[in-house]
Amino acid sequence: GAVVSQHPSWVICKSGTSVKIECRSLDFQATTMFWYRQFPKQSLMLMATSNEGSKATYEQGVEKDKFLINHASLTLSTLTVTSAHPEDSSFYICSAPLAGGREQYFGPGTRLTVT
Amino acid sequence: AQRVTQPEKLLSVFKGAPVELKCNYSYSGSPELFWYVQYSRQRLQLLLRHISRESIKGFTADLNKGETSFHLKKPFAQEEDSAMYYCAPPYNNNDMRFGAGTRLTVKP
Repeated sequence: GAVVSQHPSWVICKSGTSVKIECRSLDFQATTMFWYRQFPKQSLMLMATSNEGSKATYEQGVEKDKFLINHASLTLSTLTVTSAHPEDSSFYICSAPLAGGREQYFGPGTRLTVT
Repeated sequence: AQRVTQPEKLLSVFKGAPVELKCNYSYSGSPELFWYVQYSRQRLQLLLRHISRESIKGFTADLNKGETSFHLKKPFAQEEDSAMYYCAPPYNNNDMRFGAGTRLTVKP
């Protein structure tokens, strides 16, 4: 149990376009999901906390108008990178805790390349 | 707020040598800590939770309240232990910031 999926697993887009990444909890409901960014061989950087039914909470330095988060249901959160630029190229990872749980379950990540 | 720090970004040991990955915490209440691991080309996954006091893949981690530490240890490192290791607090109050992570390389 406690499986988190992400779609797509990789995506290439042109500079200036927008791309949406989905994070789904497959066998449990998640009122909260987290979005991270990871550069090659670097640590996870928390970008934002996605809350079902309310606005996401963004970390300092993360542009909320650029990284749009929508927690549409108890099993789906989406991250939309708007007007993507090459510097947005990265590995984006989501995670979710089980209700009442204390640990996180992670998606496999989405590699975004902006050309 | 609960915070963890991992002072070592990189750690390299030889196969069969003991390994210790450091994690220190600052807590306002009772600490509860986890170790996660990310192997190459795999998703991040839970390795250990301190409450269970378990040993997974030969790794153990003891909470030391006096030193505010939760170091991850293994007496004899294996090449397959090479990975990125993260110390983390529990999910709580919508706060989920990991430590900076330590990249362990076990050399043959």
